Amino acid sequence: QVQLVESGGGLVEPGGSLRLSCAASGFTLSDYYMKWIRQAPGKGLEWISYISNGGSSRVVYSDSVKGRFTISRDYAKNSLYLQMNSLRAEDTAVYYCARDWRHGASDYWGQGTLVTVSS
Amino acid sequence: QSVLTQPPSVSAAPGQKVIISCSGSTSNIGNNYVSWYQQFPGTAPKLLIYENDKRPSGIPDRFSGSKSGTSATLGITGLQTGDEADYYCETWDSSLSGKWLFGGGTKLTVL
Repeated sequence: QVQLVESGGGLVEPGGSLRLSCAASGFTLSDYYMKWIRQAPGKGLEWISYISNGGSSRVVYSDSVKGRFTISRDYAKNSLYLQMNSLRAEDTAVYYCARDWRHGASDYWGQGTLVTVSS
Repeated sequence: QSVLTQPPSVSAAPGQKVIISCSGSTSNIGNNYVSWYQQFPGTAPKLLIYENDKRPSGIPDRFSGSKSGTSATLGITGLQTGDEADYYCETWDSSLSGKWLFGGGTKLTVL
């Protein structure tokens, strides 16, 4: 069955870097648009990035992470990644990867991985 | 402050009906599909409605969605205590380079 499993979260100091992974199973990740979405403690959902399907791999970022975060995909590993650099305290959140199914509706989500940016 | 405006909270008694609104503009809701999600504390969101008014397999018909102009609504009938959760609308915003938007979320309390 379809499953998304995130990993790579943890505690990092301000200015540091972290790489999140999202391992997909039950479907071919490159056939779908994929999103990263985050949720700060006690706050709402915030979309931060997506990557298109197929070989073109168009990527788009929210203004809050543009220039600091990079989304990518590994076809062989059927995995999605989020490289996060220059981390700030306001990046503290649970990060979810999600599959874009129909016109942006995300039908499968990972369990989330917590990123804490603190000294 | 979210571009998509939802009421912070709504409440109703078991068995009753509740409507959750999501207000946007022509660059987002007015020209794009709306999705709705349900989220319980400590868990990932779950898709309830896609393409404005369609329900994924397994979502009961107590949940319904609609869109008119630059606003969308999620309706829940026959409220159950298990429906108590946070609800979010989502849509694409076509302005500038484009981005996905979530509403600020609505906490549903079943009294």
